[in-house]
Amino acid sequence: VIWMTQSPSLLSASTGDRVTISCRMSQGISSYLAWYQQKPGKAPELLIYAASTLQSGVPSRFSGSGSGTDFTLTISCLQSEDFATYYCQQYYSFPRTFGQGTKVEIK
Amino acid sequence: QVQLQESGPGLVKPSGTLSLTCAVSGGSISSSNWWSWIRQPPGKGLEWIGEIYHSGSTNYNPSLKSRVTISVDKSKNQFSLKLSSVTAADTAVYYCARNKDGEGSGAFDIWGQGTMVTVSS
Repeated sequence: VIWMTQSPSLLSASTGDRVTISCRMSQGISSYLAWYQQKPGKAPELLIYAASTLQSGVPSRFSGSGSGTDFTLTISCLQSEDFATYYCQQYYSFPRTFGQGTKVEIK
Repeated sequence: QVQLQESGPGLVKPSGTLSLTCAVSGGSISSSNWWSWIRQPPGKGLEWIGEIYHSGSTNYNPSLKSRVTISVDKSKNQFSLKLSSVTAADTAVYYCARNKDGEGSGAFDIWGQGTMVTVSS
């Protein structure tokens, strides 16, 4: 099983801030990583796959980087609708696993 | 546009079997996608349960494999989840999801709205 460590667990930020979320793997996964956004009471939504490819319809302020064991999600200019919880997920091997989540809250 | 809709009992007794169905609309379950079940206990993170292809091939999470069966019904364009011997630890929102095709296969690009299942007597 590939374990994932997401940090921070909680991030307090203001509208307009640049924020970064980290996801570290227990072993290398090449670029087989996705990022999701989840709002309360809603299903997660795919933001990024293949570590850095933006899913269709996702705003360009979201970007992903990294390969191997260390990955980053960046929101370049935080908007009000971006306050949510973010999860990373690896699909390099079975079982598919998710990070613990990072809640982005209003400072 | 493909949409997914979960259905099934919201309350299951301990030691019983949880049964859910995911109806696929706006597309065919026989497409080149795998189809997954994912769950989320209240206030916690996401756990992948397993996946199925329209051929009937499956992959399961080893932590649940002894209790899980995922099946497909192509005639009804739906797939199903059965989880046996449930306990309170199985209380969660259960999501069905479509695995992305092509590059990114393994990521989940379409999700159902989720259905809350509580295990309680």
